[in-house]
Amino acid sequence: SAVISQKPSRDICQRGTSLTIQCQVDSQVTMMFWYRQQPGQSLTLIATANQGSEATYESGFVIDKFPISRPNLTFSTLTVSNMSPEDSSIYLCSVVGGVSDSTDTQYFGPGTRLTVL
Amino acid sequence: GNSVTQMEGPVTLSEEAFLTINCTYTATGYPSLFWYVQYPGEGLQLLLKATKADDKGSNKGFEATYRKETTSFHLEKGSVQVSDSAVYFCALSDQGGSYIPTFGRGTSLIVHP
Repeated sequence: SAVISQKPSRDICQRGTSLTIQCQVDSQVTMMFWYRQQPGQSLTLIATANQGSEATYESGFVIDKFPISRPNLTFSTLTVSNMSPEDSSIYLCSVVGGVSDSTDTQYFGPGTRLTVL
Repeated sequence: GNSVTQMEGPVTLSEEAFLTINCTYTATGYPSLFWYVQYPGEGLQLLLKATKADDKGSNKGFEATYRKETTSFHLEKGSVQVSDSAVYFCALSDQGGSYIPTFGRGTSLIVHP
């Protein structure tokens, strides 16, 4: 299984500012994803982070608001731009397709708990 | 499209009680099925999985059987502990598709001493 770390683990931010969340995996993986989990809710997929090209965004999410980078097979960043209180959520990085694992098992990072005042 | 339906929570039990959390799914083809657990303040962890009909996934005393005839993957544990208190998510992954799972809404389990 893949070991995933995220930084920061939590943050409190002011309205109108931006926060970049980092996701680091201990092995090369095929696919990386970013999810949002609002309080008491299930997971909502924001986008698939594609290595070396633009991310693929789900309906309701746009690049200007959630720019994503993935420079290599082990690292990705998600930026939450021009934040508002509605962006308060847990943001989760996940991966599929490790070197020695089946391609349909998804592993998650510990999450970044964001509060926007 | 694919969908996962879980029983509404919270489920509240006393320690050592029997647990069942129902999960049914709708999918085209033959998906893989998963249970994930999210402990308070943490991310999701894979609890168990099953990849074909009649497979039984098991881990930490939890088990679930892939029932194609009833399109179900109910989670069970014979004797729950306070430390099992968490949110449990049922999910499916279309093996012939993009591998992006479809998640249920989650079921909160609260176990009292």
